[in-house]
Amino acid sequence: KQEVTQIPAALSVPEGENLVLNCSFTDSAIYNLQWFRQDPGKGLTSLLLIQSSQREQTSGRLNASLDKSSGRSTLYIAASQPGDSATYLCAVKNDYKLSFGAGTTVTVRA
Amino acid sequence: ETGVTQSPTHLIKTRGQQVTLRCSSQSGHNTVSWYQQALGQGPQFIFQYYREEENGRGNFPPRFSGLQFPNYSSELNVNALELDDSALYLCASSLDLIGETQYFGPGTRLLVL
Repeated sequence: KQEVTQIPAALSVPEGENLVLNCSFTDSAIYNLQWFRQDPGKGLTSLLLIQSSQREQTSGRLNASLDKSSGRSTLYIAASQPGDSATYLCAVKNDYKLSFGAGTTVTVRA
Repeated sequence: ETGVTQSPTHLIKTRGQQVTLRCSSQSGHNTVSWYQQALGQGPQFIFQYYREEENGRGNFPPRFSGLQFPNYSSELNVNALELDDSALYLCASSLDLIGETQYFGPGTRLLVL
């Protein structure tokens, strides 16, 4: 059974600081890994998807890396802004389903 | 192109009742998955439908059932509601079964009293 862990559970940083969010998973036989953003009480917004054959993906200030053999992914957010405050979820795809971590709740202080 | 939509947005039921939640897939998507997200936790996979057939199921009891229609919209039905069924129910659609991004709807918040 796939287990996904996200550390830390919560993070508070001043505006402008870079953010580093970690995700680990136990079963490396994945198709892909996705990072999502979730605002309070809302649905999930896909940020980045990394296929199992890829090492990283970038979109604007966001960069995600994947080390499938060690079961780890890291999401970097450069020059954080108050609008980046949200919960960030990591999910891995095995077979037909996504397995999620519990998320990292980020607060960026102005 | 419209995104994934879900209805209703919020719902309050009492223990023992039945509920039906609805999801409209993003245009062109033939795969729909349902997830349950309890407060403070990550979403948990309930089941997936591909071209009107159930393609996989998570660790949920049979009182959680679903349907997918020819237009690829979908329903989640929950019978004999329990207090622990209170959660955000998320629907996600994708172009196919395997490697593509899943696009999530805004969710239905269910409260069971």
